[in-house]
Amino acid sequence: EIVLTQSPGTLSLSPGERATLSCRASQSVSGSYLAWYQQKPGQGPRLLIYGASSRATGIPDRFSGSGSGTDFTLTISRLEPEDFAVYYCQQYGRSPFTFGPGTKVDIK
Amino acid sequence: EVQLVESGGGLVQPGGSLRLSCAASGFTFSSYNMNWVRQAPGKGLEWVSYISGSSNTIYYVDSVKGRFTISRDNAKNSLYLQMNSLRAEDTAVYYCARNFASWGQGTLVTVSS
Repeated sequence: EIVLTQSPGTLSLSPGERATLSCRASQSVSGSYLAWYQQKPGQGPRLLIYGASSRATGIPDRFSGSGSGTDFTLTISRLEPEDFAVYYCQQYGRSPFTFGPGTKVDIK
Repeated sequence: EVQLVESGGGLVQPGGSLRLSCAASGFTFSSYNMNWVRQAPGKGLEWVSYISGSSNTIYYVDSVKGRFTISRDNAKNSLYLQMNSLRAEDTAVYYCARNFASWGQGTLVTVSS
């Protein structure tokens, strides 16, 4: 099983600031099958990034993904008020399709 | 518009059974792989099961193997999760997801005596 570790656990930032979220895998993620999701309270997850760096439909370009192998990064270039949420990474290259524990981005 | 609507959740005693359903619309259901993902109260996301479009390939997380069965009826545009021998740790909101790109609103399963 591929274990995903996300850091930091919580990121306290102000609107307009840059957010950098990390996801590290215990083994190489095949085919860069790495996704990022945003989840707000009471809502289901929303796909942001797939294939490590491809933005999903309708996702603003302030969200970008990078990385390969075992190290991946989600960057939000300038935080908007609606971006404060929990972010999860997930590998879907090999079953079980594991999720990381999440990074909460909250308002400083 | 893609729509996924889960149903069938509720309160069940430990050892009991439930069958979750996910009604799909707005896309060609048989062309897409589907998944169940759950989220225990206040916790993170946990992938549960996957089924390919033709039902030829099925995967489960180890914690539900032998207890849960995923299936689909492409003629009815529906995905199912039969859950048997339920445990307290199965308590969660269960989401169906199309290729992880589209998600339903979830249905709550509570396992408690």
